[in-house]
Amino acid sequence: GAGVSQSPSNKVTEKGKDVELRCDPISGHTALYWYRQRLGQGLEFLIYFQGNSAPDKSGLPSDRFSAERTGESVSTLTIQRTQQEDSAVYLCASSFLGTGIPFFGPGTRLTVT
Amino acid sequence: AQSVTQLGSHVSVSEGALVLLRCNYSSSVPPYLFWYVQYPNQGLQLLLKYTSAATLVKGINGFEAEFKKSETSFHLTKPSAHMSDAAEYFCAVSEIDGATNKLIFGTGTLLAVQP
Repeated sequence: GAGVSQSPSNKVTEKGKDVELRCDPISGHTALYWYRQRLGQGLEFLIYFQGNSAPDKSGLPSDRFSAERTGESVSTLTIQRTQQEDSAVYLCASSFLGTGIPFFGPGTRLTVT
Repeated sequence: AQSVTQLGSHVSVSEGALVLLRCNYSSSVPPYLFWYVQYPNQGLQLLLKYTSAATLVKGINGFEAEFKKSETSFHLTKPSAHMSDAAEYFCAVSEIDGATNKLIFGTGTLLAVQP
């Protein structure tokens, strides 16, 4: 497909378990972003990847959160020892650096029980 | 660092009335500015963008926004609201300086359209 894809679309996990969320950006997009959207709230920046530069991790809320990206392709957001407050929709977006127009994926809805 | 302030977390208008959603930004370099719309239970959709060309930007569904550097504003308007415009609207700013274009969002404005 031509858009950003994310998997799974929904994830229910027990408190204390680890989860991995996947993002497939638009082909050729050099920048990739992860955001979190808690119920009824705005978008909270988590992490930003740009090409081979060091990622901007300034938004990660704790050391339980980490993300990786291989080159300019797939990214994985990992949450260790999940807590109930991690329940949210996790959104991924990608863009070209030059135009800077981020296109968003449909999100992964994470529910921690 | 850049930031965005959206005044009014909830805005209610009557069908056919003017829609005005406010956005003010802070940026140390010329910004790129965006409005996104999120319909209930759907993902974010780009409504319009400002990237240093024309200051009046037209988007989809009859929306437009004007970049005013002197006021550091990028308010979203639509002359006549439609019921289908009910959604949450997010303003975002990005600094393009060759090294980064991290996108920072405002907290959103929920637009309700009354019949």
